[in-house]
Amino acid sequence: AQSVTQPDIHITVSEGASLELRCNYSYGATPYLFWYVQSPGQGLQLLLKYFSGDTLVQGIKGFEAEFKRSQSSFNLRKPSVHWSDAAEYFCAVGRGSYNTDKLIFGTGTRLQVFP
Amino acid sequence: GAVVSQHPSWVICKSGTSVKIECRSLDFQATTMFWYRQFPKQSLMLMATSNEGSKATYEQGVEKDKFLINHASLTLSTLTVTSAHPEDSSFYICSADAGEEQYFGPGTRLTVT
Repeated sequence: AQSVTQPDIHITVSEGASLELRCNYSYGATPYLFWYVQSPGQGLQLLLKYFSGDTLVQGIKGFEAEFKRSQSSFNLRKPSVHWSDAAEYFCAVGRGSYNTDKLIFGTGTRLQVFP
Repeated sequence: GAVVSQHPSWVICKSGTSVKIECRSLDFQATTMFWYRQFPKQSLMLMATSNEGSKATYEQGVEKDKFLINHASLTLSTLTVTSAHPEDSSFYICSADAGEEQYFGPGTRLTVT
């Protein structure tokens, strides 16, 4: 069965430090992969997505992610974290008949940023 | 970007009553909407896929008679939690499919007392 694993429940970084959030997936076919951010009182916002092509994907707010098929991973990175990046981050895989159908989410990683 | 609203943002109801949650796509039409449930500090779990003009498709383990979904128009889907019990207390989130992206509502916090 398809699944998404985010090994880190909680990560704390200092403002200005680099960030990497891990995501591993289990999916038989070519996956459609997503990273979302959830802030209190707001809906999930799409940071970036991978459907095909270049395995290094650029997203909004300075985030990027790299798809590594050999490692079944889609890790999210940011070179310099800002205090406003503190939020919950979810990795997701689309398992339906089209790319955004039936998303399966990981358990999320809560990011805390210290000044 | 596209905006999805949910109403109410929070609701408290007594055990045994029913509560309806609305999900609206404000500036685009969505043939398909999705309903998720999120427990504290846990992931979003897909409950059902709502298709305009047809019956919703429920995920395994989700009681369709308990969670009634109606997608009456291309901009509105509703989730009705019938005969609510305390274990139904949760955060309910909808999303609307806009092609290559799902847009999510801010969620509805349901507390059943």
